[in-house]
Amino acid sequence: KNEVEQSPQNLTAQEGEFITINCSYSVGISALHWLQQHPGGGIVSLFMLSSGKKKHGRLIATINIQEKHSSLHITASHPRDSAVYICAAVAGSARQLTFGSGTQLTVLP
Amino acid sequence: KAGVTQTPRYLIKTRGQQVTLSCSPISGHRSVSWYQQTPGQGLQFLFEYFSETQRNKGNFPGRFSGRQFSNSRSEMNVSTLELGDSALYLCASSLEGTSFDEQYFGPGTRLTVT
Repeated sequence: KNEVEQSPQNLTAQEGEFITINCSYSVGISALHWLQQHPGGGIVSLFMLSSGKKKHGRLIATINIQEKHSSLHITASHPRDSAVYICAAVAGSARQLTFGSGTQLTVLP
Repeated sequence: KAGVTQTPRYLIKTRGQQVTLSCSPISGHRSVSWYQQTPGQGLQFLFEYFSETQRNKGNFPGRFSGRQFSNSRSEMNVSTLELGDSALYLCASSLEGTSFDEQYFGPGTRLTVT
């Protein structure tokens, strides 16, 4: 069983819809990262969370440490949001990221 | 500030050969991490360097090695290439490499082994 599980694997939405991507992890973590990867491979860091909630523009990330669960929300989705979204956990004092398998998001106009 | 750069961007090698990939971090960043991304295994951590020392290593065979120079630039080397080493290799830099540092990713080197 992977230590970091993401769902769904694929998600298709209409422009304007509210989107939620989920990430569950089985180990104690010190931080959780949400990443965005566009076709061609470039990865951008969206959020780093150790507790609570963060917001940046139309993106919101939350984490519940007790339930070992994090969510990434996109409000008013747009075709340019189409990408792979990856969560990555940092376990304990380790300095390495353990990645989920990613969610392929497609937003249709 | 210039971003993380990786060279070369694309590489084709033959099974049994060796390859060296290069990563230049953002100026002032002292930590460089390397990752392998394949369709089957997804993203996996290879190793992390800080101040010329390998601090952390993922679960990869000894054919995968790396080093970091005094200017924080890093190289990774794969010897005796296998077909399964075909992947996108990404490096990421951060200030100190702590759990709470944001990582900045390079564009990657796409390695094809034939």
